[in-house]
Amino acid sequence: NAGVTQTPKFRILKIGQSMTLQCAQDMNHNYMYWYRQDPGMGLKLIYYSVGAGITDKGEVPNGYNVSRSTTEDFPLRLELAAPSQTSVYFCASSYPPGGPGELFFGEGSRLTVL
Amino acid sequence: QKEVEQDPGPLSVPEGAIVSLNCTYSNSAFQYFMWYRQYSRKGPELLMYTYSSGNKEDGRFTAQVDKSSKYISLFIRDSQPSDSATYLCAMSARNYGGATNKLIFGTGTLLAVQP
Repeated sequence: NAGVTQTPKFRILKIGQSMTLQCAQDMNHNYMYWYRQDPGMGLKLIYYSVGAGITDKGEVPNGYNVSRSTTEDFPLRLELAAPSQTSVYFCASSYPPGGPGELFFGEGSRLTVL
Repeated sequence: QKEVEQDPGPLSVPEGAIVSLNCTYSNSAFQYFMWYRQYSRKGPELLMYTYSSGNKEDGRFTAQVDKSSKYISLFIRDSQPSDSATYLCAMSARNYGGATNKLIFGTGTLLAVQP
């Protein structure tokens, strides 16, 4: 049982490049999320999904896109990377509604845009 | 004013000390309160979960919620070097499963326990 797996762990991008951060979970969780964490700013929700085929914006969605074609996978797409997207990105998943709301996080993907 | 305020620290204490970590909040609708622990270069993991007011104890950890003061605390007794991490408070107005975009995190407090 691997939990939430994120790839890559580190990546350097040039301004204007695009890339996809991968996230997979093997806990059969319906809910999945993408957060970014910046120093002194806490965790900010980018996008979330309540099940395959259903996604919605969080607090800071601009510059990102997501898709959810399966229960297991929730990739985050960065289009036209900007220095403001330099951050640590965390994918998380949680139990279906009615549970205590515990989030299970991956180990993070560190992205630098130069 | 931020919905959740948390002193970023860093907080440095000697091994064996009692540690007090705190968050204040402004939204009186918050009912679910959580503490996550995040080791360096790792993802956060849930440490304690409390519903509404009161205390909850788990080993050396005690979570306390005072809704009248909009103030939550995490106490660590007999602190160990392995407790060195960033502690994030988080809270929501509803069971998170019913309001998935409403979990608000504090900025985290960096704790260092010196051997």
